[in-house]
Amino acid sequence: GAVVSQHPSWVICKSGTSVKIECRSLDFQATTMFWYRQFPKQSLMLMATSNEGSKATYEQGVEKDKFLINHASLTLSTLTVTSAHPEDSSFYICSALAGGVGTQYFGPGTRLLVL
Amino acid sequence: DAKTTQPPSMDCAEGRAANLPCNHSTISGNEYVYWYRQIHSQGPQYIIHGLKNNETNEMASLIITEDRKSSTLILPHATLRDTAVYYCIVRVRYGNKLVFGAGTILRVKS
Repeated sequence: GAVVSQHPSWVICKSGTSVKIECRSLDFQATTMFWYRQFPKQSLMLMATSNEGSKATYEQGVEKDKFLINHASLTLSTLTVTSAHPEDSSFYICSALAGGVGTQYFGPGTRLLVL
Repeated sequence: DAKTTQPPSMDCAEGRAANLPCNHSTISGNEYVYWYRQIHSQGPQYIIHGLKNNETNEMASLIITEDRKSSTLILPHATLRDTAVYYCIVRVRYGNKLVFGAGTILRVKS
């Protein structure tokens, strides 16, 4: 199946700093990628939809100035958590849409801990 | 996209078939049924999807009722590694969003 990678797999940072998470589709091109967030014992919540070459579409309640998304190529999308605070600590997961079959494939996730 | 209803948890003996039900009574004619699973601390894994015909792949089988209001995911010989949260999602095939509900926690026990 299609492979999606994320980097880093986990990160610890100090409050107020920014953190960048990369999402790559390794063996297919993805015009659309998605970013999800998952808190402990909860389900995945869609944060934003990222389309290559255009601005991301954010879900209601997600601050676009805090969670910066860039989808500069057909295989790479990045999520930057700006001025991170402890409440941003979560499991961030990306997915990529395999256009030919309409199936989303997920990355392994990035665990963020803000101290 | 239509909403789905799944039991919160199920147990299954190792080596036996695991049958996970999903109700989607408001599904539209152009919506597919997708199944994903999430093993602890990992990203979701695609399992299978279907429109109205039964589907089978190397991981599982998907049985969709004739009226398409419900479906069952079948893991034919469950192993301990199949312990995960299983999500049933309905979506227009080329639609953007996957809306995750609470899913079913499947515990496979030896």
